[in-house]
Amino acid sequence: KAGVTQTPRYLIKTRGQQVTLSCSPISGHRSVSWYQQTPGQGLQFLFEYFSETQRNKGNFPGRFSGRQFSNSRSEMNVSTLELGDSALYLCASSLVVSGGTEAFFGQGTRLTVV
Amino acid sequence: SQQGEEDPQALSIQEGENATMNCSYKTSINNLQWYRQNSGRGLVHLILIRSNEREKHSGRLRVTLDTSKKSSSLLITASRAADTASYFCATLNQAGTALIFGKGTTLSVSS
Repeated sequence: KAGVTQTPRYLIKTRGQQVTLSCSPISGHRSVSWYQQTPGQGLQFLFEYFSETQRNKGNFPGRFSGRQFSNSRSEMNVSTLELGDSALYLCASSLVVSGGTEAFFGQGTRLTVV
Repeated sequence: SQQGEEDPQALSIQEGENATMNCSYKTSINNLQWYRQNSGRGLVHLILIRSNEREKHSGRLRVTLDTSKKSSSLLITASRAADTASYFCATLNQAGTALIFGKGTTLSVSS
């Protein structure tokens, strides 16, 4: 079974630009979550989608948005990029197991804003 | 905001030694999970322990959970250089839709 695939792996953008990151979950997983990881703030939750609906959103400005398609693939978009948006962006697809939810992560997209 | 907080922040040991990492959390939980991350890559799920479990084993990993103290520990026995990574504990938010991670423990195992 293929794992979670994130594209691109690396990205360099200029301040003020926008960027779109893509995530393909494990086949059959309908929940996709996005996280931002920085050295200063650690891993922070961005948002979660289930069956094309955003169920939960973290404490990020409106410049961060996302969507999920009918095939469960998800994209996240960051507009008007700032230097502080430089981070590793991780996508996870989830499966409910006995006693909890297990998340499977992609390798991440390393975004550098210059 | 961080739910879990790992301790220590960094740990350096020799191959063959045991490594213990601790995690404290703030609110009541249904389960707690541990993840490993190798040098800026994706996270790998290690183990999930439910709130009604006190201890769980998986290979060289042993996880304990003390809900009265809101704490968990991850023990890696007979460590190897390949165990060098960052380790995170995570709990679910109240809605059950997002994992809340601690800042992690960076483990370095030297041969």
